[in-house]
Amino acid sequence: DAGVTQSPTHLIKTRGQHVTLRCSPISGHKSVSWYQQVLGQGPQFIFQYYEKEERGRGNFPDRFSARQFPNYSSELNVNALLLGDSALYLCASSSLPGNTIYFGEGSWLTVV
Amino acid sequence: AQSVAQPEDQVNVAEGNPLTVKCTYSVSGNPYLFWYVQYPNRGLQFLLKYITGDNLVKGSYGFEAEFNKSQTSFHLKKPSALVSDSALYFCAVRDRDAGNNRKLIWGLGTSLAVNP
Repeated sequence: DAGVTQSPTHLIKTRGQHVTLRCSPISGHKSVSWYQQVLGQGPQFIFQYYEKEERGRGNFPDRFSARQFPNYSSELNVNALLLGDSALYLCASSSLPGNTIYFGEGSWLTVV
Repeated sequence: AQSVAQPEDQVNVAEGNPLTVKCTYSVSGNPYLFWYVQYPNRGLQFLLKYITGDNLVKGSYGFEAEFNKSQTSFHLKKPSALVSDSALYFCAVRDRDAGNNRKLIWGLGTSLAVNP
């Protein structure tokens, strides 16, 4: 069975641009979470979605938004990119909120 | 407030020796505890979890962890380390009694280096 898949794997954007990252959860999983991991640090929680509704939000500015689709896939959008947004963005899925989460390989975002 | 501490930034062990990666936690209720491993330039992989029951939890790749409620610890262990175990290890906790607050709280990670 396929695990959590994310796209793109790597991308480079310039300051001020917008980026959309995509995630497909493990088949049968209805909850998706997004994390930001800066080099040398642990993952920082951004959002959790379940059944297309936001269930949790971390301490990130409004430039960050997300949504979940009827097929449980998800998008993370970041507007007005800053250099500090350069990070590995991880998507994780679980069957239900609160259950064990399984991560994708991440999307490496570099903002120049 | 919930928190997780991984007191060692780096752990070095020789191949074949036992390894321990430490984790202590603080939650107001009962904890769910997790260990994840991250290999270079990869996502995080689930290793094991403690939910309830036996305090010794066995996970992937020969790893195990012991839940100690009195010491609020959940140390990761392996009897015989392999060079391929070299990676970044993260401990995480969720308060089981937190209701809708199901966010995982993460430690800062411990870099494990296994020397041949």
